[in-house]
Amino acid sequence: GEKVEQHESTLSVREGDSAVINCTYTDTASSYFPWYKQEAGKSLHFVIDIRSNVDRKQSQRLIVLLDKKAKRFSLHITATQPEDSAIYFCAASNRNNYAQGLTFGLGTRVSVFP
Amino acid sequence: DPKIIQKPKYLVAVTGSEKILICEQYLGHNAMYWYRQSAKKPLEFMFSYSYQKLMDNQTASSRFQPQSSKKNHLDLQITALKPDDSATYFCASSQDRGPYEQYFGPGTRLTVL
Repeated sequence: GEKVEQHESTLSVREGDSAVINCTYTDTASSYFPWYKQEAGKSLHFVIDIRSNVDRKQSQRLIVLLDKKAKRFSLHITATQPEDSAIYFCAASNRNNYAQGLTFGLGTRVSVFP
Repeated sequence: DPKIIQKPKYLVAVTGSEKILICEQYLGHNAMYWYRQSAKKPLEFMFSYSYQKLMDNQTASSRFQPQSSKKNHLDLQITALKPDDSATYFCASSQDRGPYEQYFGPGTRLTVL
């Protein structure tokens, strides 16, 4: 089955700088790549996603890049703010139809310091 | 108002017992899911349902049984509980045709003694 590897387990960033989290996946059939944010003691909150028909997507300060050849995708958090501090999970799914479970990476703990 | 309700928030059980985790969603979604998050493993997909029908089961053990009494309900029955079952169980929902963004509930934190 699909495996998702999240390369950075922790990331410490100065406020205002960018944070980049990299993930790789194994299944070439994967076509949907969402990112979730989890604050301490809370649930997962969807932040952004990208589908395999595009290689870049931006939503405000978040940019997701997808390199299908390398089976790699990344989340760029630009102009980081203290409220960006959280654990970020990348995920992948490999079917386009019906209820499809997500395969998650292990998470990256992002800390934004002043 | 919370759109996905999970009950209870915390649950303590003894080894060998049986518990039911409740999930209701008020997002009008047709697909619902269960995930598990423990200290030892990454977030793990367990089941998915669409229109109350099982679509995918990634749980090896038959001790975990989802139950869907209504389209917006997907409960999880766990029998013969083991300490390794200790985890936070998240329910999620989405539109069924997709893939679409999945919305996660607040979770039920289960501790098995």
